[in-house]
Amino acid sequence: GAGVSQSPSNKVTEKGKDVELRCDPISGHTALYWYRQSLGQGLEFLIYFQGNSAPDKSGLPSDRFSAERTGGSVSTLTIQRTQQEDSAVYLCASSAYREAGQPQHFGDGTRLSIL
Amino acid sequence: DQQVKQNSPSLSVQEGRISILNCDYTNSMFDYFLWYKKYPAEGPTFLISISSIKDKNEDGRFTVFLNKSAKHLSLHIVPSQPGDSAVYFCAASAMGGSQGNLIFGKGTKLSVKP
Repeated sequence: GAGVSQSPSNKVTEKGKDVELRCDPISGHTALYWYRQSLGQGLEFLIYFQGNSAPDKSGLPSDRFSAERTGGSVSTLTIQRTQQEDSAVYLCASSAYREAGQPQHFGDGTRLSIL
Repeated sequence: DQQVKQNSPSLSVQEGRISILNCDYTNSMFDYFLWYKKYPAEGPTFLISISSIKDKNEDGRFTVFLNKSAKHLSLHIVPSQPGDSAVYFCAASAMGGSQGNLIFGKGTKLSVKP
């Protein structure tokens, strides 16, 4: 499709396991963002990629979280040694370029549940 | 410390009436504000935005008003329709170091009753 695609849509895993979440942005969009939404909360910024520039990791909550974007397109968010507080919906968004006010287009998210 | 606040977690409105969703912010560096609409199990969808150099932006049934001195914005939906029932998020961003990153409020769940 033409929108942002995320997989898997749901992931249930045991505490301590590693998980990998995937995001396929809209073709041609150079900016890619990861957010997470915990229950009853707004969206929390995690990390941002723009072209070949170094990513902005200022929102990552701990060093268990990392992300990469290969070839300027697909991105994976990895959470190592998952904890129960990592349970949330992880949302990916892309935009044509990074500029204040530029609308971001979101995928449907990955609902992560840590048992 | 929340920089973007939506103090009403829910709002119920009759079909055909006006829905007014409010948002307050604390960071005077914010210069773009966006509203997103979210249905269950879907990602947020961009609705409308406003630059800080304006005080009003209109798109069909949706109008956003910005009061910079009060650090307050509101989204008006008129007339409201049952399909408007969703969670509405207010978001803000700023030029500069974190430009493009959106700071979101916690959302307001709108229910439009037939």
